[in-house]
Amino acid sequence: AQKITQTQPGMFVQEKEAVTLDCTYDTSDPSYGLFWYKQPSSGEMIFLIYQGSYDQQNATEGRYSLNFQKARKSANLVISASQLGDSAMYFCAMRGALNNNDMRFGAGTRLTVKP
Amino acid sequence: GAVVSQHPSRVICKSGTSVKIECRSLDFQATTMFWYRQFPKQSLMLMATSNEGSKATYEQGVEKDKFLINHASLTLSTLTVTSAHPEDSSFYICSARGGSYRTDTQYFGPGTRLTVL
Repeated sequence: AQKITQTQPGMFVQEKEAVTLDCTYDTSDPSYGLFWYKQPSSGEMIFLIYQGSYDQQNATEGRYSLNFQKARKSANLVISASQLGDSAMYFCAMRGALNNNDMRFGAGTRLTVKP
Repeated sequence: GAVVSQHPSRVICKSGTSVKIECRSLDFQATTMFWYRQFPKQSLMLMATSNEGSKATYEQGVEKDKFLINHASLTLSTLTVTSAHPEDSSFYICSARGGSYRTDTQYFGPGTRLTVL
């Protein structure tokens, strides 16, 4: 079984500062992918970043980076230089190789960027 | 990135009517499409998975006769909520998998907000 845990229901960050959103997971799959999505108030799910379980380096996409610690089963999202437009819900998700269609989502973290 | 469209974005209907929601992958062929349901302030719940030309696979607890899914082509999937009732009011989001991104990422549509009166 797969499980994704996001323990921070809400986070606040000052504009231009960095923020880390936590995500831990549990799976018995030997190979899996980890995803982060942003959901603004409009409802659209916006893909941010992906990390494969066998990737040697942590993924980065612009201001987003993924702090992947495989032994600790964590895949935290780091947003650098926060902008007001970053205020949204953020979901961590995982898809395992054994059940390649089953993407599981965490409960989400609501990020609010303060001016 | 890949684009997935969903139509309509918002629908209000009377109890007992059926509502059809379309999901299209605009610039890639989606080998698999997914339908999710999201209640306010909650995460996404997978309802069903569909592959082009075959029957959808429904998650446990999702009534297949209630939520009809048709995946007619590699770019189009439809979800029909039959005989809708107020408890079916929710935010429905489709997702399509495919495209050129190395991760075979799932891209999501903008969602459809269904309100059943």
